[in-house]
Amino acid sequence: EAGVTQFPSHSVIEKGQTVTLRCDPISGHDNLYWYRRVMGKEIKFLLHFVKESKQDESGMPNNRFLAERTGGTYSTLKVQPAELEDSGVYFCASSQDVLPRDWGKLRGRSEQFFGPGTRLTVL
Amino acid sequence: AQKITQTQPGMFVQEKEAVTLDCTYDTSDPSYGLFWYKQPSSGEMIFLIYQGSYDQQNATEGRYSLNFQKARKSANLVISASQLGDSAMYFCAMREGVEEYGNKLVFGAGTILRVKS
Repeated sequence: EAGVTQFPSHSVIEKGQTVTLRCDPISGHDNLYWYRRVMGKEIKFLLHFVKESKQDESGMPNNRFLAERTGGTYSTLKVQPAELEDSGVYFCASSQDVLPRDWGKLRGRSEQFFGPGTRLTVL
Repeated sequence: AQKITQTQPGMFVQEKEAVTLDCTYDTSDPSYGLFWYKQPSSGEMIFLIYQGSYDQQNATEGRYSLNFQKARKSANLVISASQLGDSAMYFCAMREGVEEYGNKLVFGAGTILRVKS
């Protein structure tokens, strides 16, 4: 079974340009997440799709970032226009289950499977 | 407030010895899960081990075990019999049951582990 894939693996662009990152989750996984790690900082949550719907986009830094998941399969994350502080590694993850409120009592863990990341450099 | 704290930026361990990577967390929700991920130099994030807040026993997965001390809010990762291939960045992460679908992970800053031969 193929894992989470991301394209491109690296992207170098100039400030003001547009970049689109793509994520293909594991087949059958309804949940898709975007995270990013800016140099020297923690990995931060950006947003969460359940199928094609945005479940939680509380981590999106500003309106220069636009995420889509048409048809509930792959997702794209567009940065327009890119700024220097957008440089970092963008991770995509997917998981199978949508967990209920008291999921901690369940024995299942529903871990998130991560892609290899896209390293974005904005010059 | 910092939700996940990893106080060790870097650690060294001799091959074949055990090493403990520290992780403390902060939450007021009784329902949460703790995860450890490994990130080798190639960049991918590899899931290692999971501990649920209601689990009675410490989690174990092969050479990995999680020393879960709920009252102290710590979830340290123990790697036994270290191997050169264990050299990597290690992240502790937490998922809280705050929202109905609160599946997002909150990560610590990570610990770089170097295994010496």
